[in-house]
Amino acid sequence: EVQLLESGGGLELPGGSLRLSCAASGFTFSSYAMSWVRQAPGKGLEWVSSISAGGGNTYYADSVKGRFTISRDISKNTLFLQMNSLRADDTAVYYCAKSSGSAAAGTGDWFDPWGQGTLVTVSS
Amino acid sequence: DIQMTQSPSSLSASVGDRVTITCRASQSISSYLNWYQHKPGRAPKILISAASSLQSGVPSRFSGSGSGTDFTLTISSLQPEDFATYYCQQSYSTPYTFGQGTKLEIK
Repeated sequence: EVQLLESGGGLELPGGSLRLSCAASGFTFSSYAMSWVRQAPGKGLEWVSSISAGGGNTYYADSVKGRFTISRDISKNTLFLQMNSLRADDTAVYYCAKSSGSAAAGTGDWFDPWGQGTLVTVSS
Repeated sequence: DIQMTQSPSSLSASVGDRVTITCRASQSISSYLNWYQHKPGRAPKILISAASSLQSGVPSRFSGSGSGTDFTLTISSLQPEDFATYYCQQSYSTPYTFGQGTKLEIK
């Protein structure tokens, strides 16, 4: 069974940093692109970032570009999201999701499955 | 960026009803349109990919159609477990974008 388990969320001050992790199991981690998607309180889903299967290609939403970095450790079957210069509008539940393909944000891909999410709260 | 607009934003319906949710893209996205179901506190779940391909394990009462800019998700006979929020998502180009969601509530 494919499983994704996020961790690393919590309360952080504006301007601070957090590192999210997503432990993957039940599939060949090195064969699939991975993504982060977030949901702010009372809002809809927002794609944040994607990384290719091999880790060489990455894409970011404009709202996080230059502040967030996606990476993966294939030896540990783990996806990361380094979040710097956090802002109040970064407050959200962050989900990791497995892509149906190997290219980062590939045309025609979909997210399946998703993790349960980890809550990030940015507040003073 | 491609804007995805769903309608309605919310919908009240009864068990056994037939329900249709629409999703419109701001430009043609061919058939690169996915539908997800999201329940509070749970992981979102893929229902349909490529506009009309039912994912494994998803009940056949769910169906999708459309291409270009206009798409629909239909639930032929609502079941109690179907009350949730539904999102469309385009994977034609980055940034991937989602519709604002349609909250399906029990009448």
